[in-house]
Amino acid sequence: ILNVEQSPQSLHVQEGDSTNFTCSFPSSNFYALHWYRWETAKSPEALFVMTLNGDEKKKGRISATLNTKEGYSYLYIKGSQPEDSATYLCAFIGEVETSGSRLTFGEGTQLTVNP
Amino acid sequence: DTEVTQTPKHLVMGMTNKKSLKCEQHMGHRAMYWYKQKAKKPPELMFVYSYEKLSINESVPSRFSPECPNSSLLNLHLHALQPEDSALYLCASSQEPRGRGYPYEQYFGPGTRLTVT
Repeated sequence: ILNVEQSPQSLHVQEGDSTNFTCSFPSSNFYALHWYRWETAKSPEALFVMTLNGDEKKKGRISATLNTKEGYSYLYIKGSQPEDSATYLCAFIGEVETSGSRLTFGEGTQLTVNP
Repeated sequence: DTEVTQTPKHLVMGMTNKKSLKCEQHMGHRAMYWYKQKAKKPPELMFVYSYEKLSINESVPSRFSPECPNSSLLNLHLHALQPEDSALYLCASSQEPRGRGYPYEQYFGPGTRLTVT
């Protein structure tokens, strides 16, 4: 059983604050890590696909880093806005099937940004 | 069009009923997925189809029967379910990574909220 852990479980910040959360995963047999944002009553939406140690990805005010040797990824949000309120999920791919990708999700970090 | 649609949005069924969940995408994706998500837990993979063939079955009970009639459609047939099968069922699709290819992001539908009584 793969152990993909996210911390904290939930986070409340004020509008304008910067915040970050962590995803930890097995460092052996790493293939890729995905980050998804899941707003209430909507579909999970892909933010980043990360494959290389030292990867840094950015999308607007959101960025992510990856350390495959120590088995963690950080997601950063700069200047949080109320519309950033969502659950942020990381998903680990530890082996490549011959077809498709088997994602193992962490339990998510639920972010609430107060106006 | 980057949308994955799922029908119905909500479904209530008895333990002796037979019902089906439907999923559709028109992005030309050749990998499609079914996930089950219980409250306050992450999505758990159930099945993966690649080029309309079942490639992963995560030891799902046979009362769940997937079907991929063509490259755009994915069904999940339900029969003799138990109350503990009540959950949100998510469908997703992606480009097909084939072997050690790029691990493409998955596009998710909004899910079907299933209640088994």
